[in-house]
This record gives sequence, C-alpha cells and structure tokens, in this order.
Amino acid sequence: QKEVEQDPGPLSVPEGAIVSLNCTYSNSAFQYFMWYRQYSRKGPELLMYTYSSGNKEDGRFTAQVDKSSKYISLFIRDSQPSDSATYLCAMSVNSGYALNFGKGTSLLVTP
Amino acid sequence: GAGVSQSPSNKVTEKGKDVELRCDPISGHTALYWYRQSLGQGLEFLIYFQGNSAPDKSGLPSDRFSAERTGGSVSTLTIQRTQQEDSAVYLCASRRSDPYGYTFGSGTRLTVV
Repeated sequence: QKEVEQDPGPLSVPEGAIVSLNCTYSNSAFQYFMWYRQYSRKGPELLMYTYSSGNKEDGRFTAQVDKSSKYISLFIRDSQPSDSATYLCAMSVNSGYALNFGKGTSLLVTP
Repeated sequence: GAGVSQSPSNKVTEKGKDVELRCDPISGHTALYWYRQSLGQGLEFLIYFQGNSAPDKSGLPSDRFSAERTGGSVSTLTIQRTQQEDSAVYLCASRRSDPYGYTFGSGTRLTVV
C-alpha cells in the first residue's frame, strides 16, 4: 500500500461548479502538505500548502488538512476551463525532505 | 535562468543503451531532487542532493541508476543498460530554503524501445 492514496479520476464538472479533491495517507508523521497542479507535458507547479492541521484559503482555492483522519482536501470554487489539469497532493515529514506524492486526479472543467 | 531547465526534453533510446539526463537548477537553490513519473502514476522519488551533504539515494530503483551534482549546481541522472520499464518522464526540482519552495522543470520524456 502506498503511503499516499489519491483517486485518479477522471473528474468532469461543468464550469462554475465546486470541485473537491482528496487524498488519504498512512504516515502520521507527515506535517507538510501541498497541492500541485500539472498541465500536460509540464512540470508540477505549487498551488497550495499547509503545515499540520487546519484550513488555508487563497482566492478560489481552499486547502484543508485533518490529521486525525489522515485526510487532506482541495476545494476549487467557481471552477474554470483553465483549471483543467491533473492535481497532485504531496506531503513530507520534515522541511525539505523528499515529497511523497499521490497519483494525481485528472480534472476536466467543461464550458 | 528563471526556472529549472532540463535537457533533453525528449529522448528515445534502444534497450541496453546508457542515457544521461541533465538538470540545471535555479541559481542559489541548494537542494535538488529527481523524480520519475510513469504513465498513470504519481511522482516517485529517486534521489535528493542538499548542499555538500551526501545525497539521499534511497529512491533509486536499481544500481543501473546513478546521479551526480557538480559544483552544487548542475545535476546529471544516468541510467545504464536501459530497460523498457525505465520509460517515463524524469522530473527535476530545486529548492532554496523555503520548506514549500520546490520548483519543477518540465521533465525529460524517456522512451526505451
């Protein structure tokens, strides 16, 4: 079993919908949590990050971490066609350590 | 440059040949990571360099894989005697001191035929 599990989708939603993306993990030592967005044939780019438990909001994006459930989420409000990409969750035990990634969820937002 | 640069962007090689993949990190970034992304898979950690410390090689899948980082800057990932299962996108990332500041290159797409 991988340390980080993520449903690969694909997930298709209409423009304007609220999107919920999730990951579960097994290593309770993870403290640094990140969400990356990856467009086709490009490297991942950092979208959101949180330390330990809690919520963080940035524009249309909200990241949540529930350490008691070992569950993290990314919400996208008012989704746009330009949000169509693969979303990868990533986490690490300590600052600067190698990241453990989920497989990524493919998202398609249709006009 | 402004970002992490990887070369070549695409590489097709015959089974059994050796290949070298290059990564130019962002200037001033002391940490450098190599990951592998296979079709339908997430990123798999390969190796991590931090300053002058010994690299963390714990993710290298076999002794056919090796990497070096010269002068604390450019890194080369070498795969010897390539196999078809080595076909993947090899991604490099660099980071300065920010715990979240990983910047990825666009990767090298390796195809072994």
